Amino acid sequence: NAGVTQTPKFQVLKTGQSMTLQCAQDMNHEYMSWYRQDPGMGLRLIHYSVGAGITDQGEVPNGYNVSRSTTEDFPLRLLSAAPSQTSVYFCATLQGSYGYTFGSGTRLTVV
Amino acid sequence: GEDVEQSLFLSVREGDSSVINCTYTDSSSTYLYWYKQEPGAGLQLLTYIFSNMDMKQDQRLTVLLNKKDKHLSLRIADTQTGDSAIYFCAEIRDTGRRALTFGSGTRLQVQP
Repeated sequence: NAGVTQTPKFQVLKTGQSMTLQCAQDMNHEYMSWYRQDPGMGLRLIHYSVGAGITDQGEVPNGYNVSRSTTEDFPLRLLSAAPSQTSVYFCATLQGSYGYTFGSGTRLTVV
Repeated sequence: GEDVEQSLFLSVREGDSSVINCTYTDSSSTYLYWYKQEPGAGLQLLTYIFSNMDMKQDQRLTVLLNKKDKHLSLRIADTQTGDSAIYFCAEIRDTGRRALTFGSGTRLQVQP
């Protein structure tokens, strides 16, 4: 039982490049979400999904796309990377109201 | 800026108690959480408290909730060097999105 798995762990992109951050979970949780963490700040919600085929925007969605074709996977796409997207990205699932389960994060640098 | 406020840094000696404080904003928040983040790692749920509770104890952890003042605290008894980390309080204000709103985190440093 791996929980929430994020890949890659580290990535460096050039401005304008695109990429997909992967998130997979094996807990059969319906709710999945993406957060970003910037220095000195808590985490902010980018996008979330309440089940396969259903996604919606969070607090800071601009520049990111998501899709949810299966319960297990919730990829986050950066369409045209910008230096402002340099951050640590966390995927998290939620079952009930007893707290989220977070992945270990993807550290992204855009140069 | 952050609506959930925490002090940035706390230093204690090993064996002492640590108290990390948090002020939240939404009196309708039903669930309040404490997360721990070690360097280079994700967030680990330490404990949570329902808004109809005043206190919750879980081994070395004690959570106190003062709804009137919107104040949440986390007490760690017998603090160990392995407790050194950043601690985040969080609330679910947006029940539709079930989004967590985090404080900026308190860095706990435990000195031997």
